[in-house]
Amino acid sequence: AQSVTQLDSQVPVFEEAPVELRCNYSSSVSVYLFWYVQYPNQGLQLLLKYLSGSTLVKSINGFEAEFNKSQTSFHLRKPSVHISDTAEYFCAVKETSGSRLTFGEGTQLTVNP
Amino acid sequence: NAGVTQTPKFRILKIGQSMTLQCTQDMNHNYMYWYRQDPGMGLKLIYYSVGAGITDKGEVPNGYNVSRSTTEDFPLRLELAAPSQTSVYFCASSYSSGVAGGWDEQYFGPGTRLTVT
Repeated sequence: AQSVTQLDSQVPVFEEAPVELRCNYSSSVSVYLFWYVQYPNQGLQLLLKYLSGSTLVKSINGFEAEFNKSQTSFHLRKPSVHISDTAEYFCAVKETSGSRLTFGEGTQLTVNP
Repeated sequence: NAGVTQTPKFRILKIGQSMTLQCTQDMNHNYMYWYRQDPGMGLKLIYYSVGAGITDKGEVPNGYNVSRSTTEDFPLRLELAAPSQTSVYFCASSYSSGVAGGWDEQYFGPGTRLTVT
């Protein structure tokens, strides 16, 4: 069975600082990996995904994540955060032959002025 | 497109009452899902459906029931509400071609915040 661990439940940073949100997964088969973002009082939205090919994937708002198979990780990074990036971020894994997403417990990113 | 809509937005139930959470999508997606979100616990899958007339249990199905009579609607029924069902409930949908190895982005509704007292 697949599982996801997000290593930090809360990450406070100052505006324009870099940030890394850590995600490790466990699965005995090939997987797809996702980061979802949840803004206050809203549903989740897909931020970026790794399916195959280049291990570095990017979102349109400056986030990127790198798939590291040997370390079974998919950490999310941004070189310079904005106040508007304040949200909860969820890492998720799906077996390539399966239909269900398994979510991590979430990381609350708070960007302070 | 409205996407995925959920009603109601908020509800307070007394222990033992029943209710139905409504979910509708207008994207012609074949897959639909119900999750619950508890603080610090992430999202847990309650039930999902791969098409009209077909439903299956997720990780935490006890105390809930679902039906899928149409492609658009996927209501979640709570019978005999308990305080442990206090949570935020999210409905999601996706399109899957059914080809092995395919993936499908899930689109989420805005959620229903339910309190059972």
